[in-house]
Amino acid sequence: SQQGEEDPQALSIQEGENATMNCSYKTSINNLQWYRQNSGRGLVHLILIRSNEREKHSGRLRVTLDTSKKSSSLLITASRAADTASYFCATDARHGSSNTGKLIFGQGTTLQVKP
Amino acid sequence: SQTIHQWPATLVQPVGSPLSLECTVEGTSNPNLYWYRQAAGRGLQLLFYSVGIGQISSEVPQNLSASRPQDRQFILSSKKLLLSDSGFYLCAWSVRQGLSLHFGNGTRLTVT
Repeated sequence: SQQGEEDPQALSIQEGENATMNCSYKTSINNLQWYRQNSGRGLVHLILIRSNEREKHSGRLRVTLDTSKKSSSLLITASRAADTASYFCATDARHGSSNTGKLIFGQGTTLQVKP
Repeated sequence: SQTIHQWPATLVQPVGSPLSLECTVEGTSNPNLYWYRQAAGRGLQLLFYSVGIGQISSEVPQNLSASRPQDRQFILSSKKLLLSDSGFYLCAWSVRQGLSLHFGNGTRLTVT
C-alpha cells in the first residue's frame, strides 16, 4: 500500500504564482523526500528533510514537515512554465525501532504552470 | 560523476514472451539498486531492491524476478509476460538505504 498521499492530485496556476502541494503519510519516518518527474522521464530528487527538521529551503523550493500531523508541504515560489511536471513525496519509513530501508512514494501531484 | 543507464527505452512484447530489462550504474561502488513500476498517472510501486551482489528483496509477489550478477548491474526478468505487466519501469540507485534515489530514464513496456 502507498505510504504517502499527495494533495491536490492536479494543480493549474499562472506563471509567477506560487504552487503548494501537500503530502500525508501513515507511519514514523526517518526522512521525507520530494521528487519531480517530467512526462515520460525518470524522477529527479529535489529535496530531503529529516524527521528532526521542520523546514528546508532550496532555491525557489520550500519544504515543511510536521511529524505530529504526519504531513509535509512543498512550496514552489514564482513558478515558471518549466516547473510543469508531476511532484511526488517519498518516505523512508520506520518499522518499530528498525529502518525499513525502503523509499515509498505517494501518488503525486500534477502541476501545470501556464505561461 | 555517477550515471545510470537503463534500456531499452520502449518495448512492445506479446503475452507469454520473456522479458529482460537491464540497468547499469557507473561511477560508484556497491550502490543500493531498485526496480520500481509506475502505472499510468500513478505513483511508483517498489518491486525489488538489492543491497549487494546476489542479494535481492522482493516487495510484491508477481510474475517478475530480479538479479544482480555484478555490483553495478541490475536485471528485471520475466519468463512469461502478462497483460498486467504493462507499465513504466524505473531503475534507481542510492548510496545507502533511505537516502536520495537517482533514477534512470525508464522503460515503457507494453504487453499486447
